[in-house]
Amino acid sequence: GDSVTQMEGPVTLSEEAFLTINCTYTATGYPSLFWYVQYPGEGLQLLLKATKADDKGSNKGFEATYRKETTSFHLEKGSVQVSDSAVYFCALSDRGNNRLAFGKGNQVVVIP
Amino acid sequence: DAGVIQSPRHEVTEMGQEVTLRCKPISGHNSLFWYRQTMMRGLELLIYFNNNVPIDDSGMPEDRFSAKMPNASFSTLKIQPSEPRDSAVYFCASRQGQANSNQPQHFGDGTRLSIL
Repeated sequence: GDSVTQMEGPVTLSEEAFLTINCTYTATGYPSLFWYVQYPGEGLQLLLKATKADDKGSNKGFEATYRKETTSFHLEKGSVQVSDSAVYFCALSDRGNNRLAFGKGNQVVVIP
Repeated sequence: DAGVIQSPRHEVTEMGQEVTLRCKPISGHNSLFWYRQTMMRGLELLIYFNNNVPIDDSGMPEDRFSAKMPNASFSTLKIQPSEPRDSAVYFCASRQGQANSNQPQHFGDGTRLSIL
């Protein structure tokens, strides 16, 4: 079935550092891809999305490009802030089955 | 603009008791989803509704779990009897559009459930 794989383990980095979180997917159809962010004690919030190959989603300085050839949707931000500390989830939605398949999430901790 | 509203935010109860979690989706959204989040298993889809009709309940762990959506603005997830292993954060999400929409899901803040 459809699945999403995120890199293992938390990510700790200093303020203004460059952030990359890897995400790869497996899908039989043509999925839409999403990044969600979860702040402590809150639900998931949509951060950005891309619905077809080569689309770039962007929001709040974060970007991710839908790469069909490598089945990837890596999240990047050029200069992180302490307020970016949260858990980030990559997800895909295949039009055929309506389910959102989530990765396991990555805890990001930004140190001042 | 109100988002998805869940209640209660926290629930602590004893094993064997009935637990009812509530969700009010965003007005105008056609689909509603219930998820469970634990450290061990991450986010799991339990069930989803489209136009108030349950479409896929294959993620519901066992018969102790049931979900209803009596109208477009309200859904419940019930656990009876509850067990300690049901302790988790339960999220409700809603989405605009028809069954195969690629619109994003909007999540509530969750209910943190602890079964003692």
